[in-house]
Amino acid sequence: KAGVTQTPRYLIKTRGQQVTLSCSPISGHRSVSWYQQTPGQGLQFLFEYFSETQRNKGNFPGRFSGRQFSNSRSEMNVSTLELGDSALYLCASSLATGNEQYFGPGTRLTVT
Amino acid sequence: AQSVTQLGSHVSVSEGALVLLRCNYSSSVPPYLFWYVQYPNQGLQLLLKYTSAATLVKGINGFEAEFKKSETSFHLTKPSAHMSDAAEYFCAVSENSGYSTLTFGKGTMLLVSP
Repeated sequence: KAGVTQTPRYLIKTRGQQVTLSCSPISGHRSVSWYQQTPGQGLQFLFEYFSETQRNKGNFPGRFSGRQFSNSRSEMNVSTLELGDSALYLCASSLATGNEQYFGPGTRLTVT
Repeated sequence: AQSVTQLGSHVSVSEGALVLLRCNYSSSVPPYLFWYVQYPNQGLQLLLKYTSAATLVKGINGFEAEFKKSETSFHLTKPSAHMSDAAEYFCAVSENSGYSTLTFGKGTMLLVSP
């Protein structure tokens, strides 16, 4: 069974630009969560989607948004990038809300 | 609100020695507790989880953890360290509220010397 896949794996953007990251969950999984990992703040929850609806949201500014499609694939978007947005963005999928999560390899975003 | 404290950002052991990584949690409701491992340039891999069944939980790669409610702890142990165990370990808590949201500790880097 294929695991969680994230694309792209690496990304370099300039301040002020926007970026879209993609996550394909494990087949049959309907819940997708996103996390940001930085050396200073550690792992922080961004948001969770289930059946195309945002179920929960972390404490991040409105520049961070996401969505989920009918096939459970998810995208997250960051607009007006700041240097502090440089991080590893991890996606995790689970069968349903409340089940254990399986993480993808992450997308390394560097903002210059 | 829930939170996780991992004591020690770095732990060093010799190969064959006992591994003990400490985790204390705070939760207003009975928690689900997890240990994840992260190897360089990779995502997180679930080692084990506690979901209110047995208090001693066995995971993959010889790791286990014991849930102690009175101490609000969920320490991770392995009797004998292997070089391949060198990685960063994260303790996480999820409130049994139906959501999948995980709150992570800051992580502990395990260093294993020959």
